[in-house]
Amino acid sequence: GAGVSQSPSNKVTEKGKDVELRCDPISGHTALYWYRQSLGQGLEFLIYFQGNSAPDKSGLPSDRFSAERTGGSVSTLTIQRTQQEDSAVYLCASSPYVGEQFFGPGTRLTVL
Amino acid sequence: DQQVKQNSPSLSVQEGRISILNCDYTNSMFDYFLWYKKYPAEGPTFLISISSIKDKNEDGRFTVFLNKSAKHLSLHIVPSQPGDSAVYFCAAQNRLDSGSARQLTFGSGTQLTVLP
Repeated sequence: GAGVSQSPSNKVTEKGKDVELRCDPISGHTALYWYRQSLGQGLEFLIYFQGNSAPDKSGLPSDRFSAERTGGSVSTLTIQRTQQEDSAVYLCASSPYVGEQFFGPGTRLTVL
Repeated sequence: DQQVKQNSPSLSVQEGRISILNCDYTNSMFDYFLWYKKYPAEGPTFLISISSIKDKNEDGRFTVFLNKSAKHLSLHIVPSQPGDSAVYFCAAQNRLDSGSARQLTFGSGTQLTVLP
C-alpha cells in the first residue's frame, strides 16, 4: 500500500515569504506528526494531531508556524515570513493510535 | 537539553563484523525506545523497538539491548553488510502517559559505514 507522501520534495524561497508544505498520511492512520531536521541535528518534534482532538502544538518554534489537518487526513504545515533559520528538512509521520510512526520522504526547505 | 544522546556521529565497520550503535537518555519517563534507519533523501524507516519491560529484543541481524538502570540502549547489527550503511537514529517515547503527545524524541544520529 501507499506510504506517507509529502510535497513538494524541495522548496526554495526568499526570506519573508510564506510557504506551505503538504503531507498525505497512510490511509486509516489516526495520528499525524510533523518533525523537522536541521543540518547535523536529530529530528525535532513540531506538532501532533490525533483523530478529532485538539492538536498538540507544543513543539512549534514560533507563532509563524501553524498546521492544520483537514478531514482527519491531509495536513499542511504553513510557515509565515520565513527566516533563514527555518531551512531544514520537514518530515511528516503517521501512525495508528498506538504503533510505530511511518515517515514520509520529507520536504527540504531552503530559505535564501 | 538533549534528552536522547548519540555521542558517536560516525562509525565504520568491516563487512561481516558486528556494528554497535549506542544511545543514552536522561528522561526516566521514557518507556519505549526505537531505532530508525535513514538513507539520504528518504524519510527515516523503522527498524526495531523495545519496551522498557524488556532488556533485549531481536529481529534477524538486529538486536536492541536496554539497560534501564544506566539509561542506555544499544543496537547490534551482526553480520554487518554494506547495505546497512545509513544514518541510525535512536528515539524514545512515553507511551504510558496518554495525556501527552506520543511524539518521538530523537538523538542526533550516527552515520554507519560498512566497508566491503
